Amino acid sequence: GESVGLHLPTLSVQEGDNSIINCAYSNSASDYFIWYKQESGKGPQFIIDIRSNMDKRQGQRVTVLLNKTVKHLSLQIAATQPGDSAVYFCAENPAFNKFYFGSGTKLNVKP
Amino acid sequence: GAVVSQHPSWVICKSGTSVKIECRSLDFQATTMFWYRQFPKQSLMLMATSNEGSKATYEQGVEKDKFLINHASLTLSTLTVTSAHPEDSSFYICSARDPFGRDRDQPQHFGDGTRLSIL
Repeated sequence: GESVGLHLPTLSVQEGDNSIINCAYSNSASDYFIWYKQESGKGPQFIIDIRSNMDKRQGQRVTVLLNKTVKHLSLQIAATQPGDSAVYFCAENPAFNKFYFGSGTKLNVKP
Repeated sequence: GAVVSQHPSWVICKSGTSVKIECRSLDFQATTMFWYRQFPKQSLMLMATSNEGSKATYEQGVEKDKFLINHASLTLSTLTVTSAHPEDSSFYICSARDPFGRDRDQPQHFGDGTRLSIL
C-alpha cells in the first residue's frame, strides 16, 4: 500500500463555520480521487469524488478541489455541523481496482 | 443503497488461532471485493483485491499464506488470518464494487469492519 500515516492531525472548528481539509497524494498516475468520512468503529462512507479532468466539483455542502500540479486535494465543508465530526480520508486510484488512502484528518466540530 | 455486511464485528482469540472474517454484499452482486487493514489512528491499507472465481491479488508486503482470501460466490468473500499473533490485531475492513447497480457511480461500498484482538 501507499500513503500510510503515523498520526492523525486534528482540525477543530466552530459549528456553522466552514471547514477545509487537505490531502496530498503520491501517484501522478492517479486519475480519480475520492473523499471518505469515517466515524469511530465504522467503515468509510463515500462523500464526493472527482476525476482528473476536473479541478472542482460540488455536492451538497461539500466541494472538492483538485490541483494536479502539486498533487493536492482539498475538501471544503460549508456550515459545519456536529454530525460532521469524524475522520476524513482522501483516496487515490492510480490503477484499475487500486485504491490507496491518505493519512486522514480528524474533524472536531465544537457546538 | 448498496449494503456490505461483515461478520463478526469483533473477535478476541488466543495466539496461534486462525480467524475467518466474512464479507457479504447484501443487495448486489460483487465480482470484486477489497480487504483493508487499519491500525489505531492510522489510515486504511489495501491488503488485497478479491476476485470472484479467481485468485486474489495481494499488495506488496502482504503475505498471501498468512491472509487467505476466498471469493467463491458473487456475494461472499472471506479473509482468514492464519495462526494469528498479537501483531495481527487490527481493524479489518472489506469493501465491494457494485458496477451495475443503482450505486454504480460509487467506487466501492464498505462494511463496518471487524476488530480483531489476538491475546
